[in-house]
Amino acid sequence: QVQLVQSGAEVKKPGASVKVSCKALGYIFTSHNMHWVRQAPGQGPEWMGIINPSGGSTSYTQKLQGRVIMTRDTSTSTVFMELSSLTSEDTAVYYCARREAERGDFDYWGQGSLVIVSS
Amino acid sequence: DIQMTQSPSSLSVSVGDRVTISCRASQDIRNDLGWYQQKPGKAPKRLISAASSLQTGVPTRFSGSGSGTEFILTISSLQPEDSATYYCLQHNTYPPTFGQGTKVEIK
Repeated sequence: QVQLVQSGAEVKKPGASVKVSCKALGYIFTSHNMHWVRQAPGQGPEWMGIINPSGGSTSYTQKLQGRVIMTRDTSTSTVFMELSSLTSEDTAVYYCARREAERGDFDYWGQGSLVIVSS
Repeated sequence: DIQMTQSPSSLSVSVGDRVTISCRASQDIRNDLGWYQQKPGKAPKRLISAASSLQTGVPTRFSGSGSGTEFILTISSLQPEDSATYYCLQHNTYPPTFGQGTKVEIK
């Protein structure tokens, strides 16, 4: 069955970077694009960007342009999201979510990775 | 960006009640809308895609309707396990955008 398994929680200082991983299991990794979504405490989800695991092409939200990089490793069926120049406003749970090929929305989600930014 | 306006923001209802949640898009998104249920500490779970297509395994008391700019999620007879926050998501135009959420509590 399809599973997206994410890396664990991180605590970072302001100005640092964080890299979150998402390992895809149970399907052909290169057949589905992967979204990244984050959710700040008590807030709704916010889309961050998308990566095509086949060719590696990406598209990011304007808000995070220049601070976010999404990459993939096809040998391990893993996608990565790196966010730099962290501030307290980046404290959130970060999710990867698979793009369904037919409908285009988000069918499977990872369990989430909590990132806390605190001095 | 397309704005998704969801209402109400919260509601308190009794077991067995009918619940309707509305989502309005700021422009035509055809039927490119999904509904998601999120429980505390968990990832969102897709209930409905393409505005009205129920996902496998989701109870039939959940239904979705609408197209264009107006969409409705209905829970025909609320059960205790339906206590959660519900979000709509449009994926017609990038960036995908979520509604603000509707928190459903059991009286």
